Amino acid sequence: EVQLVESGGGLVQPGRSLRLSCAASGFTFDDYAMHWVRQAPGKGLEWVSGISWNSGSIGYADSVKGRFTISRDNAKNSLYLQMNSLRAEDTALYYCAKSPGGSSGWYFDYWGQGTLVTVSS
Amino acid sequence: DIQMTQSPSSLSASVGDRVTITCRASQGISNYLAWYQQKPGKVPKLLIYAASTLQSGVPSRFSGSGSGTDFTLTISSLQPEDVATYYCQKYNSALTFGGGTKVEIK
Repeated sequence: EVQLVESGGGLVQPGRSLRLSCAASGFTFDDYAMHWVRQAPGKGLEWVSGISWNSGSIGYADSVKGRFTISRDNAKNSLYLQMNSLRAEDTALYYCAKSPGGSSGWYFDYWGQGTLVTVSS
Repeated sequence: DIQMTQSPSSLSASVGDRVTITCRASQGISNYLAWYQQKPGKVPKLLIYAASTLQSGVPSRFSGSGSGTDFTLTISSLQPEDVATYYCQKYNSALTFGGGTKVEIK
């Protein structure tokens, strides 16, 4: 059974940093691209960032480019999102999501339960 | 950037009704379109990919069609458990979601 478990969310002040993690199990992690998708309270879904199976292809939404960094550790079956210079508008539930293929341009066939990030002073 | 516009933003229908949701791309995206269902308080669930391919385990009352710029998600006979918000997503280059369509029971 595919499982994606996010962690690392919390309350953080504007301008500070936070690192999210996603622990994956139930599939061969290093065969698939992985993504972060967020959902602000009461709002729709927004793709944040994606990384291919071998970290060779990485993409970011314009809203986070230059502030967020995605990475993965295939030996640890883990995905990460380093979030710097956080803003109030980054407040959201952050989902880890798996793609059905190895490259980053795909849809999402499995989702984690999400970790909540609140940016507020 | 290619924009994805869903309509309507919300709808109310009776149990057993046929429901159609539309997603329009501002430029052609071939069939690189997926549909998701998000029930209240739950995680999004993949329903359809490649515009018309049903994900394993999804009830056959759900179907998708379209290519290029215009796509539809159809629920052939609305059930109470279909109350949810539905999102389209393009994936031919930048990954972009539509704004969502909230489906309620009348």
